[in-house]
Order: sequence, then C-alpha cells, then structure tokens
Amino acid sequence: DGGITQSPKYLFRKEGQNVTLSCEQNLNHDAMYWYRQDPGQGLRLIYYSQIVNDFQKGDIAEGYSVSREKKESFPLTVTSAQKNPTAFYLCASSIGQPDTQYFGPGTRLTVL
Amino acid sequence: AQSVSQHNHHVILSEAASLELGCNYSYGGTVNLFWYVQYPGQHLQLLLKYFSGDPLVKGIKGFEAEFIKSKFSFNLRKPSVQWSDTAEYFCAVKGSGTYKYIFGTGTRLKVLA
Repeated sequence: DGGITQSPKYLFRKEGQNVTLSCEQNLNHDAMYWYRQDPGQGLRLIYYSQIVNDFQKGDIAEGYSVSREKKESFPLTVTSAQKNPTAFYLCASSIGQPDTQYFGPGTRLTVL
Repeated sequence: AQSVSQHNHHVILSEAASLELGCNYSYGGTVNLFWYVQYPGQHLQLLLKYFSGDPLVKGIKGFEAEFIKSKFSFNLRKPSVQWSDTAEYFCAVKGSGTYKYIFGTGTRLKVLA
C-alpha cells in the first residue's frame, strides 16, 4: 500500500531541545516537501528537495534543517533556534516534474 | 510577490446550497493551479487541478473550478453541497516547470445538515 508516513503523530519536547520529524514515502517520488500549518495561515513551505542529496529553502526555513540521503526519506529537524516551533507539520511528495503533491498524515509538535 | 488569496475564511451553508470559494493568485508566468481538501482527521488530498486546456476542470465529489486567466482566479464551485463536504479547502499555485507550491490560507466550510 503506497503512501507517505510521518511519525510520530504527536510529539512533545522541552524548549531548547532539537527534535527530528520523520517522513518516509514508498511512492518512488523524486520530490519531497515539508510544510508548516498554523491556523489561519495555511501551509507554508519550509524546505523542499527535488532529488537525493539536494534541497532548497522554502519561505520559512530559519530554525529548521533537513537531509535527503535516500530517495524515500526526508527528515526535518526543528532546532532550538526556531522561535515558535509548536505547529502541525506536513510532509509531501510529488513525481519529478512537479505534479500533484501527496501528503502524509502530519505530526503535531508541541514545545513546552 | 507570489501569493494566493482566499477571501472566504469561514463559510457556513445548509445542505443543498450552492458553493463558490474564491481564489486569486499573483504570479508572473504560466501557472499550474490546484484545490486541496482536508477533511476532519484525514490527510490533505487533491480535489482538482488545472495544468492546461479547458479552463473548466472537474474534480472529485462533484466539485469543479474555472481558471480565468484575465482575473488571475481559480474559484471552486459545487452546485449542491452535502454535510460530508465539511472540511478545509486550500487553493495552491505553482509556476510551470518549478517545484515550489504556494498555498492560500484556507477556507473552513461547515455544512449544516
């Protein structure tokens, strides 16, 4: 059953700690994305990757980092430098030449 | 600046009412346009998309959208909504040949049974 998995569904961390959100896809898609969803602000692009070992900053990359060592995996690290990390994070993927994005179920991060 | 505007933030309708959600974009160049829907507790999923050709596109569950290039608009319509259409709807634009999608702020639709 193909799709995108994000784990965990809920994540709690103390302020000042880095945390890594997992995103895995078995759709054989080249491109992967990370978005942040806040109420009333829609989806804002954090990072995206077109191919393995390459990624670009989106609109709100400050305080975040990513890696793309494998085609199927695109983990997002929320660092202590991110001033307001509590949010709902969505991972997505699409076939190479950009087409429809497929989204994962999301991870809700709460920083205490 | 590239942007997408969804003017209706919250919409409440009774079942069988007609729906039109506005979406306007600002983008220089050829665009691809999308409407995504997020049902309560479910993944964000594609409702419909426009890449080229007929500007009136039909999607799942009876939804349609019309691309009006001169107005930079891509409004979503449904002639008769159902309670199950209660969801949040997002308009998105992407420049042709690019990887970056720009989403609107979303419209929360509540359909009263």
